[in-house]
Amino acid sequence: GESVGLHLPTLSVQEGDNSIINCAYSNSASDYFIWYKQESGKGPQFIIDIRSNMDKRQGQRVTVLLNKTVKHLSLQIAATQPGDSAVYFCAENRPWEGGSQGNLIFGKGTKLSVKP
Amino acid sequence: KAGVTQTPRYLIKTRGQQVTLSCSPISGHRSVSWYQQTPGQGLQFLFEYFSETQRNKGNFPGRFSGRQFSNSRSEMNVSTLELGDSALYLCASSLESFWGSPLHFGNGTRLTVT
Repeated sequence: GESVGLHLPTLSVQEGDNSIINCAYSNSASDYFIWYKQESGKGPQFIIDIRSNMDKRQGQRVTVLLNKTVKHLSLQIAATQPGDSAVYFCAENRPWEGGSQGNLIFGKGTKLSVKP
Repeated sequence: KAGVTQTPRYLIKTRGQQVTLSCSPISGHRSVSWYQQTPGQGLQFLFEYFSETQRNKGNFPGRFSGRQFSNSRSEMNVSTLELGDSALYLCASSLESFWGSPLHFGNGTRLTVT
């Protein structure tokens, strides 16, 4: 069935390099996307979000890019640090076809490992 | 401000039993939503409560239920436990809705069914 997926299940980068984590979504009606970071033993932590009327949004050391044409989302982390090591999830707000608000679909996650 | 608190952190139950998990949202947050996280299926939305009413529901069987109290605290109940219910159960809160806004997650309850 339709789901939010990830191109790379694991990503290993050198400290100081930039990281790019990718995510594909399949429902063109989805209009809100979020990236979460989950460290071992903890719940997911909000990183950045973007609405479908935007192509790019920047935070502190992070940038999210949204390409609606190919239904692709990416998270860029600048100057990756050891503390960035975690699993990163994208999430998609998908409207229900009838009634209530909608469903929240999560990607399987990408594990980012930062080598010192 | 205190974060989302989930209790207990760990639970071990036997097949056929039932279990109740508790979640205290961030003060002032009215929406509480629940999620199941497993290695195979990842994070899946269970349901959302707002003002003591279930407002949205994911694709889980009726054995999974919940409720919300007037102080926004929420409980989730799983009846007739199955081995496949072993998972990390996460609760999240937000000001008005789980949908269309960032969520604040607790650290979860790890449920093991034997």
